[in-house]
Amino acid sequence: KQEVTQIPAALSVPEGENLVLNCSFTDSAIYNLQWFRQDPGKGLTSLLLIQSSQREQTSGRLNASLDKSSGRSTLYIAASQPGDSATYLCAVKDLSSGSARQLTFGSGTQLTVLP
Amino acid sequence: EAGVTQSPTHLIKTRGQQATLRCSPISGHTSVYWYQQALGLGLQFLLWYDEGEERNRGNFPPRFSGRQFPNYSSELNVNALELEDSALYLCASPGAGDSTDTQYFGPGTRLTVL
Repeated sequence: KQEVTQIPAALSVPEGENLVLNCSFTDSAIYNLQWFRQDPGKGLTSLLLIQSSQREQTSGRLNASLDKSSGRSTLYIAASQPGDSATYLCAVKDLSSGSARQLTFGSGTQLTVLP
Repeated sequence: EAGVTQSPTHLIKTRGQQATLRCSPISGHTSVYWYQQALGLGLQFLLWYDEGEERNRGNFPPRFSGRQFPNYSSELNVNALELEDSALYLCASPGAGDSTDTQYFGPGTRLTVL
C-alpha cells in the first residue's frame, strides 16, 4: 500500500527566502505526482504535475523535481511571499490503480511566510 | 472551462441523520472522485464514479454511498451520521485536453455533525 510522507509538517520563513518542501513515497511504481496548494478551509489548487518519465516541472517561482527511484519529490519555492502562506500537499497516482485516477496524499506542509 | 462545483458550502447535521452532498465535474468529463479530509487524518479517497457507475471505493463503510447522474454530476450520501464524519468533503475531476492527468478539485462541502 502506497504511503506518502511530507516533511516538515510546518515551516515558517521570512519573506524573500527560497525554500524546499519534501515529499517521499514508499512505492516507486507511480504514474505521476502532483503538488497542490490548500488555503484554510478551501479546496485544492493544482500547482504542478510531474509524469513518472519526467524529472522536473516549473511554473513561475515554483519548481518541482521527481526522483522516482528513491521515492522522493521536492517543491522549490523561490523568493517566497506572504501570499505563498498555505498548506502544500503532494499526491501520487499509482500504476497499480489502472485506469482509476484516485490519488494518495501526504499530510501536507503548512507554510507561513512572514512579512 | 468551468471548474468543479460543489454544494452546499456548509452542512450541519445531528448524529443519526443523513447528509447529501453534490458535485458537478468539469464540463464534458465523465469522472468524479470524492475525498474526505477529516481533521488529523489528511485527505482520503472515498469513491470514484465514471459513466454513471461506481468504479472504485476507498476504505469506508457502506453508509457512505452515492450515485452519478446522466449529466455526470454526482451525489454523495452519508447515512447514520457519526461525529467522526465531520470533515471537508472534496470532489475532483480530471481536466481537459493535455491536462487529463491533472486532478481539479472543487471548493468542498464542510460537514459538521453535532
